[in-house]
Amino acid sequence: GNSVTQMEGPVTLSEEAFLTINCTYTATGYPSLFWYVQYPGEGLQLLLKATKADDKGSNKGFEATYRKETTSFHLEKGSVQVSDSAVYFCALSGQYGQNFVFGPGTRLSVLP
Amino acid sequence: GAGVSQSPSNKVTEKGKDVELRCDPISGHTALYWYRQSLGQGLEFLIYFQGNSAPDKSGLPSDRFSAERTGGSVSTLTIQRTQQEDSAVYLCASTLSGGGYYGYTFGSGTRLTVV
Repeated sequence: GNSVTQMEGPVTLSEEAFLTINCTYTATGYPSLFWYVQYPGEGLQLLLKATKADDKGSNKGFEATYRKETTSFHLEKGSVQVSDSAVYFCALSGQYGQNFVFGPGTRLSVLP
Repeated sequence: GAGVSQSPSNKVTEKGKDVELRCDPISGHTALYWYRQSLGQGLEFLIYFQGNSAPDKSGLPSDRFSAERTGGSVSTLTIQRTQQEDSAVYLCASTLSGGGYYGYTFGSGTRLTVV
């Protein structure tokens, strides 16, 4: 079945540092890939998505590129802020919406 | 509705009681998912509906858990004879049919505490 692996946290960075959170996946066919974010005390929010190979999803300064050759969808941000402190989940859905699965989440803490 | 609505937002129940959790998806969304998130943990897939049918029930942890969806809209997750390990936040998500192209919208969840 489909699965997602992402780097274990927690990740602690200073403000304005560069962020990378690795995500790799296993899937058949042509899955869609997502990053969701969960801020403290809040629900899950879609951060960005990509639905086909070589697509780049971007939002709020975050980016991720769908790399089929390496089965990866790494999340990056050039300069993190304290307000980016949250748990980040990489997720995948099958071509027809089935098997919508999540990675274990990576907790990011950004220090001023 | 404008978003995915879940009720109740909080539920405290005694061990051994049955509970029902409700999810009202975005109007027109044919696909609906239930997840469980234990404290500090990731999301555990429970069940997936396409319309009223559930092609994937593989995540239901035991036969105490069941779910149904009627009219292609509202879904109810029922937990019978609740146990303390059932304590978690139960999340519902919906999307238009066709996979991830449209993205998935989550509700705010039901926090279940079994005492």
